[in-house]
Amino acid sequence: AQSVTQLGSHVSVSEGALVLLRCNYSSSVPPYLFWYVQYPNQGLQLLLKYTSAATLVKGINGFEAEFKKSETSFHLTKPSAHMSDAAEYFCAVSPFTGNQFYFGTGTSLTVIP
Amino acid sequence: DSGVTQTPKHLITATGQRVTLRCSPRSGDLSVYWYQQSLDQGLQFLIQYYNGEERAKGNILERFSAQQFPDLHSELNLSSLELGDSALYFCASSVDGPTYNEQFFGPGTRLTVL
Repeated sequence: AQSVTQLGSHVSVSEGALVLLRCNYSSSVPPYLFWYVQYPNQGLQLLLKYTSAATLVKGINGFEAEFKKSETSFHLTKPSAHMSDAAEYFCAVSPFTGNQFYFGTGTSLTVIP
Repeated sequence: DSGVTQTPKHLITATGQRVTLRCSPRSGDLSVYWYQQSLDQGLQFLIQYYNGEERAKGNILERFSAQQFPDLHSELNLSSLELGDSALYFCASSVDGPTYNEQFFGPGTRLTVL
């Protein structure tokens, strides 16, 4: 069975500070992992994805995530938060076979000026 | 712009009614997925179609049904609507092949049941 846990439904950071959004997955096989961002009143946009290539994945808007199999984690980071990063972030997992996504409950990121 | 289109953008209806939400996938994508996003339930996978056939089913109520047509567009039918059905409904599409492909999301349809 696949599942995703996002720790912290709300995260606040100051502008210019490090952003760290946590995601842990449960999967019986090495999965594919994704981070999506949702801006207010918009659909989900792919930030980055892990598909068993490099464990450190770089995405759009300066975000990156590291796949750590030993910790079953795929945390999202950005060195310096920008006001425009304020949004809802979703971690998702998909098994090797089949395309069904399992989404986490989301983390709302607030950036304080 | 993801290339996935959804209509209508907003829908307001009454309890007990039936509505149809429409989704056009990106050109070339064979798979269509439907999701429901509500404040209390989060983002929930409803159903997936691949090239006209149902492939996976999630937390879809019996009052809801979907289909994918030969031109690959999809419709989600919601009937006997209840207040709790008020939510954002997203459609996503993917190429779907031997290796994993990401899903591209449409802008969503906001359904309000009064």
